[in-house]
Amino acid sequence: DAMVIQNPRYQVTQFGKPVTLSCSQTLNHNVMYWYQQKSSQAPKLLFHYYDKDFNNEADTPDNFQSRRPNTSFCFLDIRSPGLGDAAMYLCATSRAPIETQYFGPGTRLLVL
Amino acid sequence: ELKVEQNPLFLSMQEGKNYTIYCNYSTTSDRLYWYRQDPGKSLESLFVLLSNGAVKQEGRLMASLDTKARLSTLHITAAVHDLSATYFCAVERNTDKLIFGTGTRLQVFP
Repeated sequence: DAMVIQNPRYQVTQFGKPVTLSCSQTLNHNVMYWYQQKSSQAPKLLFHYYDKDFNNEADTPDNFQSRRPNTSFCFLDIRSPGLGDAAMYLCATSRAPIETQYFGPGTRLLVL
Repeated sequence: ELKVEQNPLFLSMQEGKNYTIYCNYSTTSDRLYWYRQDPGKSLESLFVLLSNGAVKQEGRLMASLDTKARLSTLHITAAVHDLSATYFCAVERNTDKLIFGTGTRLQVFP
């Protein structure tokens, strides 16, 4: 089945230790998104790729970076995680920017 | 700046009852989505509403869109426990991004 896959599902890291979250998709969608969702809050868009074009949200901290080496994969790098970065990180894809987004299962990040 | 608000934020309802969740947004948009999220899980797409007056139904859920009033509703008919979840509306911004509402946490009890 076509799907959006995120690895790992749970990630524990230490304060200040870089971490990378992975997202892959078999939908062959052009757009890939990264959201941060904290407990009892709405998902907050960090950035997205439309093909190879990177679009950063104005309020995304510099601590967060992303890479999309090919259509299928997208990575979220957190260079120096702080306690406030503990959250669920959701990857989503869509065929085009204005079409329905399909979400992966998420990676829950814990920062110690 | 586009703002999306939902009410109520929390909804506890008895099985078999009907209720409506409201989603208001602050600037013009012609596309609105409803998503469901179970605790600790990801978001599942429920409906996409593409034009003024659009109505979509799936099982006990029915969504509608009034673009002139900048309002969407999600109506629950004869609620069952399996509908317990958090429901988000999301509005398209600049044709390439979604802005999510605050979410409505629904709990259905016997």
